[in-house]
Amino acid sequence: DQQVKQNSPSLSVQEGRISILNCDYTNSMFDYFLWYKKYPAEGPTFLISISSIKDKNEDGRFTVFLNKSAKHLSLHIVPSQPGDSAVYFCAAIASTGNQFYFGTGTSLTVIP
Amino acid sequence: DAGVIQSPRHEVTEMGQEVTLRCKPISGHNSLFWYRQTMMRGLELLIYFNNNVPIDDSGMPEDRFSAKMPNASFSTLKIQPSEPRDSAVYFCASSLTVEETQYFGPGTRLLVL
Repeated sequence: DQQVKQNSPSLSVQEGRISILNCDYTNSMFDYFLWYKKYPAEGPTFLISISSIKDKNEDGRFTVFLNKSAKHLSLHIVPSQPGDSAVYFCAAIASTGNQFYFGTGTSLTVIP
Repeated sequence: DAGVIQSPRHEVTEMGQEVTLRCKPISGHNSLFWYRQTMMRGLELLIYFNNNVPIDDSGMPEDRFSAKMPNASFSTLKIQPSEPRDSAVYFCASSLTVEETQYFGPGTRLLVL
């Protein structure tokens, strides 16, 4: 049962344009969401997070949007750079019950 | 801090052999997680510990998998006997508390022939 879904396994974007990575979840108890970035042969590294009490969190070129009614979050990267090419995982945590799940990942390729 | 340390980085073994993966969490972190990454299922949580105690092992696929955390600075994930379908990258992660950001190790790439 995949409680966190990333329906796009891959995405290609031209350098300088916006990258939008999407993530859907099914459990309304999730109250904290994170994005991780993973390069080949390395472990995932934390990128940005958002609490369910917010609908937007911004950190430099990275912005995460949360739509609780739609159970949907997205990561925007503007402008995209070739170094952003990686696999991006979204993760969701339900602090009550200590539940957390990762999505299957979206492989982003930024074309120079 | 050296971050989360995993060993070995690569392991190639034959079906039926025992495999032991090792993890050293970040000092001071109270929670430790074992994940398996496959193409089909992404990152799957296998088991996690809080203060060295296993909290949730519902993600462990079969009885062939076992994990221990004898102290706050060391954990093992054991597969006995190993099978080709266990081939994957296994990640260990640690965090200050269960709800906080997890920091991942570099992973162990396991190939079972």
